[in-house]
Amino acid sequence: KAGVTQTPRYLIKTRGQQVTLSCSPISGHRSVSWYQQTPGQGLQFLFEYFSETQRNKGNFPGRFSGRQFSNSRSEMNVSTLELGDSALYLCASSRRDRGSLNTEAFFGQGTRLTVV
Amino acid sequence: GQQLNQSPQSMFIQEGEDVSMNCTSSSIFNTWLWYKQDPGEGPVLLIALYKAGELTSNGRLTAQFGITRKDSFLNISASIPSDVGIYFCAGRATLGTASKLTFGTGTRLQVTL
Repeated sequence: KAGVTQTPRYLIKTRGQQVTLSCSPISGHRSVSWYQQTPGQGLQFLFEYFSETQRNKGNFPGRFSGRQFSNSRSEMNVSTLELGDSALYLCASSRRDRGSLNTEAFFGQGTRLTVV
Repeated sequence: GQQLNQSPQSMFIQEGEDVSMNCTSSSIFNTWLWYKQDPGEGPVLLIALYKAGELTSNGRLTAQFGITRKDSFLNISASIPSDVGIYFCAGRATLGTASKLTFGTGTRLQVTL
């Protein structure tokens, strides 16, 4: 079974640009969460999508947004990039069966975003 | 953003030694997960814990869900060079249909021959 796939692996953008990152979850997994990892702040939760709806959101500005498609694939978008947005962006997928919220989260390899 | 208190921050041990690390939180979690991350890669799930007091093993790894639901520990026995990496704990506080993971600050493990 294929794991979580994130594209692209590496990205360099300039300040003020916008970027879209993609995540394909494990087949059969319907929940996708996004995390930002930086040396200073560690791993921080951005948001979670389940059944094409955002279910929870972390403490990030509105420049960070996302969406989920009917096939559970998800994208996140960051607009008006700032130098501080440079980070490893990780996507995690979970099965999230009905009536069971206790399922493991599996991570992709991440997208390394560098803002210059 | 919130991070869980994880200790030690780093460890330098010799091959064959046992390792112990722990994670504490000021709030209750319903799930504790332990991950290992290699440089430039995403975290890989090692062990998942779902019940207070639960003790779970995965090969040389053993983890426990604290009875207060505010802490967890991970032990690695007879360490080998491939154990090198950063270990993260993560807690899940489920809210309705939403869930998110709060991660610890990480423990960097170095193994010398």
